[in-house]
Amino acid sequence: GAVVSQHPSRVICKSGTSVKIECRSLDFQATTMFWYRQFPKQSLMLMATSNEGSKATYEQGVEKDKFLINHASLTLSTLTVTSAHPEDSSFYICSAPRGVWQYFGPGTRLTVL
Amino acid sequence: AQSVTQLDSHVSVSEGTPVLLRCNYSSSYSPSLFWYVQHPNKGLQLLLKYTSAATLVKGINGFEAEFKKSETSFHLTKPSAHMSDAAEYFCVVSVSEGNKLVFGAGTILRVKS
Repeated sequence: GAVVSQHPSRVICKSGTSVKIECRSLDFQATTMFWYRQFPKQSLMLMATSNEGSKATYEQGVEKDKFLINHASLTLSTLTVTSAHPEDSSFYICSAPRGVWQYFGPGTRLTVL
Repeated sequence: AQSVTQLDSHVSVSEGTPVLLRCNYSSSYSPSLFWYVQHPNKGLQLLLKYTSAATLVKGINGFEAEFKKSETSFHLTKPSAHMSDAAEYFCVVSVSEGNKLVFGAGTILRVKS
């Protein structure tokens, strides 16, 4: 079946630094990928839609200058959390559609000290 | 706008007894509905999906869900709970513009021995 990977699985960084998270579709191409954020004991919230070859589409309330998304190829989307602060600590999950199905990555747990 | 309400934040059942996780949706058109499961420290796994075919959808691990348009419900059931079913379950509806998903708040299922 289709597989989506994320790297890293876990990252701890200091406040003010930037962190890049990669999302790869391993055996299929995805012109669109989605980035979600999940705070502890809460549901997944869609942050943005990553579009290959064009700008990402951000959901209301998500700062595009803070969460930079680059869909560099048909199998790779990156999310960069710029100038991270403790309130950005969360579980970030990506997904990629293949046909009528969505495939989710295993998630990246970000902890900002 | 599409939305999903999971009526119980926590459900506790004894091993071997039936499971019922309730979900109501709101959609201005005929929706696609999903149930996903998330085990601790694991990625999301698709249990089943409804896409306007049969109203009773069978999924993996013995789970099934019934789409009831008149009640705008999509409850998840399993005849006999297993210890390995303990996890968080998300009811999800697709948004009209291409593959975007809206997640419910989640229901944590606890299975007692």
